[in-house]
Amino acid sequence: AQSVTQLDSQVPVFEEAPVELRCNYSSSVSVYLFWYVQYPNQGLQLLLKYLSGSTLVKGINGFEAEFNKSQTSFHLRKPSVHISDTAEYFCAVTVYNAGNMLTFGGGTRLMVKP
Amino acid sequence: DGGITQSPKYLFRKEGQNVTLSCEQNLNHDAMYWYRQDPGQGLRLIYYSQIVNDFQKGDIAEGYSVSREKKESFPLTVTSAQKNPTAFYLCASSIGGAQQFFGPGTRLTVL
Repeated sequence: AQSVTQLDSQVPVFEEAPVELRCNYSSSVSVYLFWYVQYPNQGLQLLLKYLSGSTLVKGINGFEAEFNKSQTSFHLRKPSVHISDTAEYFCAVTVYNAGNMLTFGGGTRLMVKP
Repeated sequence: DGGITQSPKYLFRKEGQNVTLSCEQNLNHDAMYWYRQDPGQGLRLIYYSQIVNDFQKGDIAEGYSVSREKKESFPLTVTSAQKNPTAFYLCASSIGGAQQFFGPGTRLTVL
């Protein structure tokens, strides 16, 4: 079975600074990887996904993530954050032929300060 | 607009009551899911359904029940057997490609 670890439960950062949210996974087979964002009292919105191909994936709102198979990581980055990026971010993984079953990490709360 | 709707947005339950949370999608997706989210935690899978008239238990199915009589609908009943039902409940759907699409959620509070 696969698992996902988000190494930081909270990440405080000042506005316009760069940020990296870390995600590591474990799986014995090939994976699909996702980052979702959740604003307070709302559902999850897809930021980006890695299915195959280029290991650098660009998503919405200026976010990007890099798939590193050797380090089993899928870290999320943004070069300059805004106050509006304050939210909970979830990394998720599924494997081929898993019936679209996602395994989620525990989430990272990004707190952008003025 | 295509999407997933959940109702109600807020729900209050007395001890010993069963309550049903609605989830509807017009995306023509085959698969639907129910998750529970507790403060500061990730999502835990309650039930899922890959096809109409069929569903499977997830990681935390005890105290919950579902039905899937129509492709677009996947209601969740929180029964009195669920001892700690206060949580945020999220419904999702998917069709191939592994990506799941989420509804806006229902916050259930036990009084």
